[in-house]
Amino acid sequence: EAGVVQSPRYKIIEKKQPVAFWCNPISGHNTLYWYLQNLGQGPELLIRYENEEAVDDSQLPKDRFSAERLKGVDSTLKIQPAELGDSAVYLCASSFTQGSEQYFGPGTRLTVT
Amino acid sequence: QKEVEQNSGPLSVPEGAIASLNCTYSDRGSQSFFWYRQYSGKSPELIMSIYSNGDKEDGRFTAQLNKASQYVSLLIRDSQPSDSATYLCAVNLYSGGGADGLTFGKGTHLIIQP
Repeated sequence: EAGVVQSPRYKIIEKKQPVAFWCNPISGHNTLYWYLQNLGQGPELLIRYENEEAVDDSQLPKDRFSAERLKGVDSTLKIQPAELGDSAVYLCASSFTQGSEQYFGPGTRLTVT
Repeated sequence: QKEVEQNSGPLSVPEGAIASLNCTYSDRGSQSFFWYRQYSGKSPELIMSIYSNGDKEDGRFTAQLNKASQYVSLLIRDSQPSDSATYLCAVNLYSGGGADGLTFGKGTHLIIQP
């Protein structure tokens, strides 16, 4: 069974530029999560989707971050414009249903210069 | 405020010994508990889940949950150098909208000494 797929794996951009991350969850998983992980910290939830509905986006900085999950499968997380403090690893995870085991993709390491 | 606390370590354990990793959480509404292993430069990998009080064993790993004490632990028996990694404790709180996303501790850095 294929795991969670993310792309790109690495991204280097200048501040004020836009950037987008893509995630394809495990087949059949209805719940999709985006997390942010800074060095030496545990992942922090940005947004949670149940199918195509964003049911928890309270931690998403909405002035510059946006996300979508069209058709309840793939998801895209966008930052516009990026700031130096956005440098981190962006992780996508999926689970069969809310509360069940979450499986993480390889992550996208973003560096903002 | 949901909090998950772990000793950051490093925790150094001789090869073949038992490694004991501990985690406490603040919210009594937490109902699902997970341990993830994370190698440097890699993403978290799920190794154990536990939902009810008591012990759960899977190979060399045993998860222990005590909801009254708000305490979760992970035991690794016959520790191997390949077990050297950061271990993340994660807790799932159930609110009115169902299960929330995971709240993670900062992780414990485990070193298995050959």
